[in-house]
Amino acid sequence: DAGVTQSPTHLIKTRGQQVTLRCSPKSGHDTVSWYQQALGQGPQFIFQYYEEEERQRGNFPDRFSGHQFPNYSSELNVNALLLGDSALYLCASSSVGGTNNEQFFGPGTRLTVL
Amino acid sequence: EDQVTQSPEALRLQEGESSSLNCSYTVSGLRGLFWYRQDPGKGPEFLFTLYSAGEEKEKERLKATLTKKESFLHITAPKPEDSATYLCAVRTYYGQNFVFGPGTRLSVLP
Repeated sequence: DAGVTQSPTHLIKTRGQQVTLRCSPKSGHDTVSWYQQALGQGPQFIFQYYEEEERQRGNFPDRFSGHQFPNYSSELNVNALLLGDSALYLCASSSVGGTNNEQFFGPGTRLTVL
Repeated sequence: EDQVTQSPEALRLQEGESSSLNCSYTVSGLRGLFWYRQDPGKGPEFLFTLYSAGEEKEKERLKATLTKKESFLHITAPKPEDSATYLCAVRTYYGQNFVFGPGTRLSVLP
C-alpha cells in the first residue's frame, strides 16, 4: 500500500518565478492538506482540499493556491516566489469518513528560492 | 488563538537514560492530540493519537499521556535510533487543520 507521495523531491527557483508541487494521497484517503515547514520550526498549515474544493485556509497570501483532482491528488502553486518561501513543503492526507482523524505525511518537497 | 508549545527545545540523552518531552496546548475544544517523529529532511511519521485526559498509548520505548492542558512523551531506555525531532499537534472541533508545536530535537548518544 503506497503512502503519500510528493514530487519533486527538491526544487531550486529564483525570486519572482512560479512553482508547482504535486501530491498523491495514501490509498483510501480523500482529503489533502498542505503545510510549510521552515528550518527548525513546526509545520504551518497552508490549506486543505476536499471534494476538489478548498475547505480551510491558513494565514498565507493569495500567492499560494491549490487544486485537487478527481483522483484526489493535489497541486500546490506558489507565484511570485520570495526568498522567505524557501522551506520544506509537506502534503498530508486523511479521510473525511475516517474515525481516527490522523493525517499521514509525505516525504516533502524541499524548495530553495535564490 | 490555538497554541501549542513544546519543551525542552533540545534534549541530549545517553543511551538508556529515560526522560520525558512536554507538549502544552491552549485550544477551544480539543478533538485530538497527535505525536509525530521527524527525521532530518523527511516528512513527519505518525506515532500516536490521544483524545481525552487520562488516556495513554504505548509503542516500543515510547509512551504518550494526556491531561487537560498538556501531553507527555515518555522515552524509556532510549537508543541512538530514537534520535529525531518529536512534534506535537492538536486538532480542534471547529477546524480541519493541525496546529503544530515547534518540536523537541532529541539526540541519544551511544
